[in-house]
Amino acid sequence: QKEVEQNSGPLSVPEGAIASLNCTYSDRVSQSFFWYRQYSGKSPELIMSIYSNGDKEDGRFTAQLNKASQYVSLLIRDSQPSDSATYLCAVNNDYKLSFGAGTTVTVRA
Amino acid sequence: DTAVSQTPKYLVTQMGNDKSIKCEQNLGHDTMYWYKQDSKKFLKIMFSYNNKELIINETVPNRFSPKSPDKAHLNLHINSLELGDSAVYFCASSPRDPATNEKLFFGSGTQLSVL
Repeated sequence: QKEVEQNSGPLSVPEGAIASLNCTYSDRVSQSFFWYRQYSGKSPELIMSIYSNGDKEDGRFTAQLNKASQYVSLLIRDSQPSDSATYLCAVNNDYKLSFGAGTTVTVRA
Repeated sequence: DTAVSQTPKYLVTQMGNDKSIKCEQNLGHDTMYWYKQDSKKFLKIMFSYNNKELIINETVPNRFSPKSPDKAHLNLHINSLELGDSAVYFCASSPRDPATNEKLFFGSGTQLSVL
């Protein structure tokens, strides 16, 4: 079983819609969770971090964490063409950050 | 510019050759990493150094040898390159204790193609 699993997509959403990305992880003791965005041909950049159960909002992004279900999600509201990228879920455990395979999002105008 | 910089950006080489990738960060971070991203975008940690000391060494062939001459530099040397080594290699650094891994700052990547 992979440590961090995501739906690979691609996820296609119309401009202005909500994009919903899901991630599950296997290690129950994980405490820190992150979402990175990676544009094609570029390096990943951190867009959200979450440590406690519940929702965390930052602009058009909302991260949701449920440790009991070992589940973390990312919502992108009012999706824009500039949000088209691969979104990587990352989980910290045992001194390292483990990444999922990423979900590719395409926002169509 | 303050950043994580790695060279070269592209590396094309023949099977069996030995090559090195260099990484430098001027962010004052104590922890540096090498990650490998395969063609399916899966990003996997290879090595982690904290203040020049190796703290993570994932299941990586011993043809890969990292070297950290000081905490601002982490280089990656690869011996006897194989076709399966073709990937994008990212250097990264982090300002925090590796146990917390608050945020990784990535270099721009080195696209390695082994022919």
